[in-house]
Amino acid sequence: GAGVSQSPSNKVTEKGKDVELRCDPISGHTALYWYRQSLGQGLEFLIYFQGNSAPDKSGLPSDRFSAERTGGSVSTLTIQRTQQEDSAVYLCASSFGGQPQHFGDGTRLSIL
Amino acid sequence: RKEVEQDPGPFNVPEGATVAFNCTYSNSASQSFFWYRQDCRKEPKLLMSVYSSGNEDGRFTAQLNRASQYISLLIRDSKLSDSATYLCVVNSGGGFKTIFGAGTRLFVKA
Repeated sequence: GAGVSQSPSNKVTEKGKDVELRCDPISGHTALYWYRQSLGQGLEFLIYFQGNSAPDKSGLPSDRFSAERTGGSVSTLTIQRTQQEDSAVYLCASSFGGQPQHFGDGTRLSIL
Repeated sequence: RKEVEQDPGPFNVPEGATVAFNCTYSNSASQSFFWYRQDCRKEPKLLMSVYSSGNEDGRFTAQLNRASQYISLLIRDSKLSDSATYLCVVNSGGGFKTIFGAGTRLFVKA
């Protein structure tokens, strides 16, 4: 499809395990964002990539979180040693120069 | 203090009513402002940008007050389909870092 694609759509894992979330942005979009949204809460900015510039990682909550974007396209968000408070929906968005941001359907992460 | 603050609501209004939401932001260097809409268990979607001179799109009017650091969204002649969460979005001072407010929930009743 032509939209932002995220996988997996759902992920259930045990506390302490590592998880990788994938985002495939809209082709040609130069900016890619990661957010997380807890139940009934707003979106929390995590990180964004813009072209070949260094990513803005200022929203990452701890050093257990990291993200990379390979070849200016697909991005992977990695959470190491998951904790129960990491449970949330992780949303990826892409844009061509800022706005509008086009969101994927999200990955619903549940830590047992 | 949160960088972007909104009244969480919920706002419960009858069809045909006019309703207004405000949003305040703390970073005076912010340059770009937007309203997004998010339906239950769906992804956010851009509703409209907010321009310095104010702008209108059908039943929706957005305004920016830089001096007081707030933006507003006015919805006229509310429809049942307007029921959603409205997210205030602010570009955080430069580049493309974007901060979302926690959202204001609107319920339009028949």
